[in-house]
Amino acid sequence: GAVVSQHPSWVICKSGTSVKIECRSLDFQATTMFWYRQFPKQSLMLMATSNEGSKATYEQGVEKDKFLINHASLTLSTLTVTSAHPEDSSFYICSARDWDPVEADTQYFGPGTRLTVL
Amino acid sequence: KNQVEQSPQSLIILEGKNCTLQCNYTVSPFSNLRWYKQDTGRGPVSLTIMTFSENTKSNGRYTATLDADTKQSSLHITASQLSDSASYICVVSAKSNYQLIWGAGTKLIIKP
Repeated sequence: GAVVSQHPSWVICKSGTSVKIECRSLDFQATTMFWYRQFPKQSLMLMATSNEGSKATYEQGVEKDKFLINHASLTLSTLTVTSAHPEDSSFYICSARDWDPVEADTQYFGPGTRLTVL
Repeated sequence: KNQVEQSPQSLIILEGKNCTLQCNYTVSPFSNLRWYKQDTGRGPVSLTIMTFSENTKSNGRYTATLDADTKQSSLHITASQLSDSASYICVVSAKSNYQLIWGAGTKLIIKP
């Protein structure tokens, strides 16, 4: 099956620093990747949709200047949390879409990255 | 407004028992419905996907049902195991833009 990896799996950083999270599709090419954020005891919330070679589309309320997304290749997307603050502490999950003519919107999820900002 | 509601919010059962989780949705036009299992601190893993014409689909001890008329789905877990402890999330896809509408999930705890 399709595998999506994330790196790092967890990160602790000081307030004001920037953190980069990588998302890779290991055995398929993903023209579209998604970034989600999940707070404790809540479901996933879509932050942005990333298309290879173009600018990401951000959901309402998500600051594009704070959460920088780059999708430079068909197998790699990165999320950079700039000037991180404690309220950015969360579980960040990416997914990659493998286009299927039947299940057109099949998304495969990475294992997530736990970000803790001190 | 497209919404997905799940019940119960949490559930505790003894190992070996069966349980059923519910999902109601108002997503239109409907594309498909998925059940995901999410272990704590991990990404979601797909259990089943059901399209409009499917009523029942099984994956091992997991059986999902779909009633497209009443817009309801259920996930039945048979002979529960300790490893079934997780959050189970119902996700409905809208046909117009393939947007995923996420339910809040049911947290299932299996006790020995």
